[in-house]
Amino acid sequence: GESVGLHLPTLSVQEGDNSIINCAYSNSASDYFIWYKQESGKGPQFIIDIRSNMDKRQGQRVTVLLNKTVKHLSLQIAATQPGDSAVYFCAENEQDDYKLSFGAGTTVTVRA
Amino acid sequence: GAGVSQSPSNKVTEKGKDVELRCDPISGHTALYWYRQSLGQGLEFLIYFQGNSAPDKSGLPSDRFSAERTGGSVSTLTIQRTQQEDSAVYLCASSLGLGNNEQFFGPGTRLTVL
Repeated sequence: GESVGLHLPTLSVQEGDNSIINCAYSNSASDYFIWYKQESGKGPQFIIDIRSNMDKRQGQRVTVLLNKTVKHLSLQIAATQPGDSAVYFCAENEQDDYKLSFGAGTTVTVRA
Repeated sequence: GAGVSQSPSNKVTEKGKDVELRCDPISGHTALYWYRQSLGQGLEFLIYFQGNSAPDKSGLPSDRFSAERTGGSVSTLTIQRTQQEDSAVYLCASSLGLGNNEQFFGPGTRLTVL
């Protein structure tokens, strides 16, 4: 697949504030998008996903927005907590494909 | 446990040696994936198994890399004649089936080639 990338490699946010993590993708055939959270020494953990027929999906304290026109994906975390400190990856694949293409990741640090 | 497990958690080897990395997927998951994560980078797809179908090896970086999945469950990733550039975290994931099913990741094996 084509590259999936993130706008910023690091994000520092005050505890209690909202966080926004951005991701740009280039593959117009991308059909499915996922956000993963990876804590130090652990494997990626699924946060939320969205299909290309949607532009917004909400979970618990998280919202994913998809703008297919500009090929942009974002993850919003409400009321950021210290436990949210991690590396966040966006990933995508094409319909009927199984291989995920990952971006390089954004490191989120929550300040107390 | 209910999650994907991998062993060993850490492996240090000398250049030129062969290594085997093991993955135990979640019970009932028919799809199994191997990825590689270099320091500070995203994940790079290596190989994919789905049921009894022939695996997709298109992500393997060289013929020194191979993988097997026995009995549709446990998988072993083998790297022959290791090189220093093989140093990375090797992650295994499994999912219920084809396509867009959520992939559950194991903790990874950190490989260091001296």
